[in-house]
Amino acid sequence: GQQLNQSPQSMFIQEGEDVSMNCTSSSIFNTWLWYKQDPGEGPVLLIALYKAGELTSNGRLTAQFGTTRKDSFLNISASIPSDVGIYFCAGPAGANNLFFGTGTRLTVIP
Amino acid sequence: DTGVSQDPRHKITKRGQNVTFRCDPISEHNRLYWYRQTLGQGPEFLTYFQNEAQLEKSRLLSDRFSAERPKGSFSTLEIQRTEQGDSAMYLCASSLLGGHDEQYFGPGTRLTVT
Repeated sequence: GQQLNQSPQSMFIQEGEDVSMNCTSSSIFNTWLWYKQDPGEGPVLLIALYKAGELTSNGRLTAQFGTTRKDSFLNISASIPSDVGIYFCAGPAGANNLFFGTGTRLTVIP
Repeated sequence: DTGVSQDPRHKITKRGQNVTFRCDPISEHNRLYWYRQTLGQGPEFLTYFQNEAQLEKSRLLSDRFSAERPKGSFSTLEIQRTEQGDSAMYLCASSLLGGHDEQYFGPGTRLTVT
């Protein structure tokens, strides 16, 4: 079946450091979405990517659509305490729903 | 501009009881989705509506689960004869037909079955 593996599973970083995480798929995606989820809340859409090789920024966040269309990367620059949460990648599974990755849990130490 | 809202935010129920959750999507969105999320996992798709029509159901949606979107606006998800394994976060999302694959999620309903 379809798999979306995220790496690393968890990260502990100092405030101010940059963060990199990635997502690898067993199949080709035409869209990559990155979400952040805080405890007890729903996922919030951060960045959407639509073309292989595309690089898109949203404030301190930058995401890239891998050229093989089987991976995507998310970078956070100059992390702050409110960046804490779980980051999920997701892509369309069929026409009508999203398939989510395993998540990367980020902890920022002040 | 209001986002997706869900009610209640938390529900504790005894095994065997029925529960119903409500989702109000973003007002101009005609697509609505229900997902379930258990601890440590990403959301998993349950079912999808386009306007009032339920067009897709996951195999995760057992016979005890039913979802409706009677007027193509809000949706309800009912679980009958709840089991402890139904304990999870139930998430609703909406999107615009003809848009990209972006889905916008509500805050979720946390269900605990005791």
